[in-house]
Parts: sequence; C-alpha cells; structure tokens
Amino acid sequence: KQEVTQIPAALSVPEGENLVLNCSFTDSAIYNLQWFRQDPGKGLTSLLLIQSSQREQTSGRLNASLDKSSGRSTLYIAASQPGDSATYLCAVRGTYKYIFGTGTRLKVLA
Amino acid sequence: GAVVSQHPSWVICKSGTSVKIECRSLDFQATTMFWYRQFPKQSLMLMATSNEGSKATYEQGVEKDKFLINHASLTLSTLTVTSAHPEDSSFYICSATFGTGGNQPQHFGDGTRLSIL
Repeated sequence: KQEVTQIPAALSVPEGENLVLNCSFTDSAIYNLQWFRQDPGKGLTSLLLIQSSQREQTSGRLNASLDKSSGRSTLYIAASQPGDSATYLCAVRGTYKYIFGTGTRLKVLA
Repeated sequence: GAVVSQHPSWVICKSGTSVKIECRSLDFQATTMFWYRQFPKQSLMLMATSNEGSKATYEQGVEKDKFLINHASLTLSTLTVTSAHPEDSSFYICSATFGTGGNQPQHFGDGTRLSIL
C-alpha cells in the first residue's frame, strides 16, 4: 500500500529564504508525482508535474526533483515571498489514482 | 490550461437533506473523474473514481449508498450526499483527467464546502 509522507509538517520562514520541502513515498512504481498548492478553504493549484522518467521540473522560482528509486521528491522554492504562504501537497500517481501526502503548511513572514 | 468547474462552492443545509455537487470539465473531455474528501488540516482522501458511462469504483470504507456518483457524460460528474448528517460536513473536491493513461495529470475543481447543521 502506497504511503506518502511530507516533512516538515509546518514551516515558518522570513521572506527571501530559499526553501526545501520534502515528499517521500513507499512504493516506487509510480507514473508521476505532482506538487500542488492549497490556500485555506480553497481547491488545489497544480505547480509541477514530474513524470516517472524525469528527474526534475522547473517553473519560475519553483524546482521539483524526483528520485524514484529512493522514493523521494523535493520542492525547492527560491527567494520565498509572503504570497507563497499556503499548504503544499505532493501526490503520487499509481495505477489509476493519486495518493496525497500529509502536506506542509508554509508561512513566509514579511 | 484545462479547467474544472465545481458547483456549488459552499452548501449549508439541515440534517437529513440530500446534497448534489457537480463537477464539470469545461474545455476537455474527462474520461475519468475523481472525488476526494478533506477534513480540516488533513490531506485529501480519495473517495471514488468514476469513468464515463460506467459505475464508480469506491475506496474501502466509503459507503456507495451514501455517496452516489454519476458520470453520465464526458464533461460532467455528480456526487450526491444522501441524507446528510453533521459527520458528513467536509470539503469535497473533484478532479478530472483525460485518457486512462497513468501519466495524465489531474485537474482539480475549487472544492465544495459542505456544512450540515
């Protein structure tokens, strides 16, 4: 059974810091891994999708890496801003469904 | 990009009422739609997967008679919470994907907050 864990559960940093959010999964047989952002009371915004054959994806200040063999992914946020404050979720796609991680609640202080 | 619309965004109703939530893919044909439930400060839990024209596949522990899912067309899936009770209060989110391949991304709606009094 696939289990997805995110560390840390919560993070509070001053503006401008570079951040690393971690996602680990127990079953390496995945199709892809997706990082999402969720604002309080809102739905999900897709940030980056990494296919199983890829090692990383980049979008603006965000960079996500995938090491399938070790069951790990990291989301790197450069030069964090208060607007980055949200919950970040990773999800791995198995045969037919996504399994979500527990999330990291990020707060960037101005 | 792909857009998924979920309606309503917020529902407050009395215990015993049945509530229907709609999930529409606006600019693509959604072969598969997923329904998730999220409790406060917790992650998303998959409730069921529905493919157009066939019965939904429910996750273990999800009552299929309680949560009725219909996926009658390639652009619309509905979740009906029947005889809702306060413990059904939650945030429900749908997602849609095109094709059945495992490498297809999921596109999420904005969610429906359901509050049962």
